[in-house]
Amino acid sequence: DTGVSQDPRHKITKRGQNVTFRCDPISEHNRLYWYRQTLGQGPEFLTYFQNEAQLEKSRLLSDRFSAERPKGSFSTLEIQRTEQGDSAMYLCASSFRPTEAFFGQGTRLTVV
Amino acid sequence: QKEVEQNSGPLSVPEGAIASLNCTYSDRVSQSFFWYRQYSGKSPELIMSIYSNGDKEDGRFTAQLNKASQYVSLLIRDSQPSDSATYLCAVRGGAQKLVFGQGTRLTINP
Repeated sequence: DTGVSQDPRHKITKRGQNVTFRCDPISEHNRLYWYRQTLGQGPEFLTYFQNEAQLEKSRLLSDRFSAERPKGSFSTLEIQRTEQGDSAMYLCASSFRPTEAFFGQGTRLTVV
Repeated sequence: QKEVEQNSGPLSVPEGAIASLNCTYSDRVSQSFFWYRQYSGKSPELIMSIYSNGDKEDGRFTAQLNKASQYVSLLIRDSQPSDSATYLCAVRGGAQKLVFGQGTRLTINP
């Protein structure tokens, strides 16, 4: 499968726990994006990497959220001390230069 | 004002008719424009990209761009029940990130 891969597909966690999601982009894509989507809304930008550099981070992203992309390959998104309001679909997308971006299947997070 | 605006719908169209979806954006330096289709519970799927003024056709889909009016549209000809989904407009501006509208829910009635 040469598409964008996200793991896990679903995550249920208790409030206050930390969670980490992984995204493997399409192999030749140097740009990687993280989005969050709640029911009835469009994807909301979280952060963006070009190779290993994190070039932009949304003001919506509190200091409980951190993302990394070591060596410009896969990326991880960590949420510390989860809150119920963090429940959403977390989407990863990748692109080659500023062209079309392709999404993975997403990770659905439920905080109970 | 939102960066990318779409009518949330629902938009109901009879099978075989033309569905017309609209989107406006606020960043005048935007260069790239995309339409994604999203089925319930699934991730967005890219269906069209457009970079210059005018029309771009791909099968039953036509994207239209008017940069002067900051307006993008998507036409779906010969609508099928399988076209029922939420359609997301996305715009890439000077900051390089993709900004999405809230999506328009389209229902094709048999």
